Amino acid sequence: DGGITQSPKYLFRKEGQNVTLSCEQNLNHDAMYWYRQDPGQGLRLIYYSQIVNDFQKGDIAEGYSVSREKKESFPLTVTSAQKNPTAFYLCASSIGAGPGDTQYFGPGTRLTVL
Amino acid sequence: AQRVTQPEKLLSVFKGAPVELKCNYSYSGSPELFWYVQYSRQRLQLLLRHISRESIKGFTADLNKGETSFHLKKPFAQEEDSAMYYCALSPTSGSRLTFGEGTQLTVNP
Repeated sequence: DGGITQSPKYLFRKEGQNVTLSCEQNLNHDAMYWYRQDPGQGLRLIYYSQIVNDFQKGDIAEGYSVSREKKESFPLTVTSAQKNPTAFYLCASSIGAGPGDTQYFGPGTRLTVL
Repeated sequence: AQRVTQPEKLLSVFKGAPVELKCNYSYSGSPELFWYVQYSRQRLQLLLRHISRESIKGFTADLNKGETSFHLKKPFAQEEDSAMYYCALSPTSGSRLTFGEGTQLTVNP
């Protein structure tokens, strides 16, 4: 379980502020992902990265940004443009970007906008 | 566009009873299908996937391409099976997953 970590566990933000969620993995995985989990809606893909210095938008990328400067790190910034940012955010990684590659999930960060 | 549907948000059974969690999908090609599980206060983790055709913790799932379904089954539910279950689909190429809405399973003593 320690292979992929997310920090902080809980995060509070005032409206109008940007906030960055951390995701780190020591599994030597090439691919990393960010999901948003809302009750009754399952997980929805925000952004994903198949390799360092490259990333693609997922289904709900508006109001979010990412970077992938290092293989082990994939931070997510929730910008003030995100209309409903209060949610549980999950980071995942997989060894590659093939359809059979299992995704391993972090413990999540719960973001609350005050 | 691909889509995964889990029609039951909540499912409650008694210990020892059979359980079936339904999953239907829409995808034009041949997808990879998965079941992920999230136990209370634990991380989301892979339970099983159709390509490996294995049984994990007594659970099995069969891909029915004609009905576009991937239902999860267990003949005798246990209390420790209580968890949130997600069905997920991966396209023929690439690893991005599309998840269903999830089913909260409760196994009563």
